[in-house]
Amino acid sequence: DADVTQTPRNRITKTGKRIMLECSQTKGHDRMYWYRQDPGLGLQLIYYSFDVKDINKGEISDGYSVSRQAQAKFSLSLESAIPNQTALYFCATSDSSGTHREQFFGPGTRLTVL
Amino acid sequence: TQLLEQSPQFLSIQEGENLTVYCNSSSVFSSLQWYRQEPGEGPVLLVTVVTGGEVKKLKRLTFQFGDARKDSSLHITAAQPGDTGLYLCAGPVSGGYQKVTFGTGTKLQVIP
Repeated sequence: DADVTQTPRNRITKTGKRIMLECSQTKGHDRMYWYRQDPGLGLQLIYYSFDVKDINKGEISDGYSVSRQAQAKFSLSLESAIPNQTALYFCATSDSSGTHREQFFGPGTRLTVL
Repeated sequence: TQLLEQSPQFLSIQEGENLTVYCNSSSVFSSLQWYRQEPGEGPVLLVTVVTGGEVKKLKRLTFQFGDARKDSSLHITAAQPGDTGLYLCAGPVSGGYQKVTFGTGTKLQVIP
């Protein structure tokens, strides 16, 4: 079974709709991250969380919000989707006991906003 | 801002050839990680290099961390089609932010 799962894997939506992407992990890691990937731009950090009560903005948080419902669950919301939010979205986890912050990724969600 | 630049951006080679991809920065990193991402999947951690000058081998892949800990390279010997993918380097951002910065990646295609 996958350690980090994301739902849905693919989503097509229209401009202005509210969208939620969900992430669950069984790795027991305390840290969770949401990244966006666009061709040629690498992975850009949207939000990250160290525990249920600790949420931090990344480099591109505008237009996004998150919720850490439990240590194992971290969801990303687009309140009013726009076409330039079309991208691949990845959830990742990391263990605070590790010194190098290695990231463990989910399979990704391909989001298309029309 | 600690940036990681990767080169080349794209590489298309024949099966059996050798190749090297590079990850460079003007900043010192405490460690660097290499990931491989296959189409339709998330990045998967290959290795972490920690000590300046360190060399790690993973079958046909050889990873090196620069002496000054500002750069790293990945060398693949006798590339195979299964090596096709996006190779990303990444490193911890200093300053206690518990974040990682990623390079933009090298897209490798190995042609049978």
